[in-house]
Amino acid sequence: EAQVTQNPRYLITVTGKKLTVTCSQNMNHEYMSWYRQDPGLGLRQIYYSMNVEVTDKGDVPEGYKVSRKEKRNFPLILESPSPNQTSLYFCASSLFGFGEPNTGELFFGEGSRLTVL
Amino acid sequence: AQSVTQLGSHVSVSEGALVLLRCNYSSSVPPYLFWYVQYPNQGLQLLLKYTTGATLVKGINGFEAEFKKSETSFHLTKPSAHMSDAAEYFCAVSDQPGGYNKLIFGAGTRLAVHP
Repeated sequence: EAQVTQNPRYLITVTGKKLTVTCSQNMNHEYMSWYRQDPGLGLRQIYYSMNVEVTDKGDVPEGYKVSRKEKRNFPLILESPSPNQTSLYFCASSLFGFGEPNTGELFFGEGSRLTVL
Repeated sequence: AQSVTQLGSHVSVSEGALVLLRCNYSSSVPPYLFWYVQYPNQGLQLLLKYTTGATLVKGINGFEAEFKKSETSFHLTKPSAHMSDAAEYFCAVSDQPGGYNKLIFGAGTRLAVHP
């Protein structure tokens, strides 16, 4: 089954304790991206990757890191989480990548709800 | 810069009634427009998209949307609401011509359907 898998789905942590949210897709997609969803704000892009080893900042990258060492995986790293990073996080992927116009559907994972105390 | 405004954070309709969810966009380039639906505790799922060509776009589950350039609108409609349509709906616009590096989402509209 074609899917985007995120883990963990739910996490409660404390300020300053490093954490990683993993994201994996099995559709051989070039493009991957992370969004956060907050009430009244919709979804805002954190980082995106057009291809392996190619990443770029979205609209709200502060406090986050990403890496794209393999095509299928795109982990989101919070080096020192703070309460303002409490949110619902979505990983998404689509077929097209670097050098091609991305006109395709974004496929979303089921979300990871993070609470930072 | 591109932006999306969804009018009405909550919409309530009766089962069988017309569904109309409003989306207006601002874009300095020919936009690509999308509607996504989010069911409780799930990720977003594409309902339909407009890229080029026919301005009336049909999607899944009986939804459709019409791109109106003169009104900078992309409203989502369904002739007859079903209980299963209760969800949150997001309109989105591409950030560049001919494609996107990111989709810019509206704040969402939560649709309630009552018997």
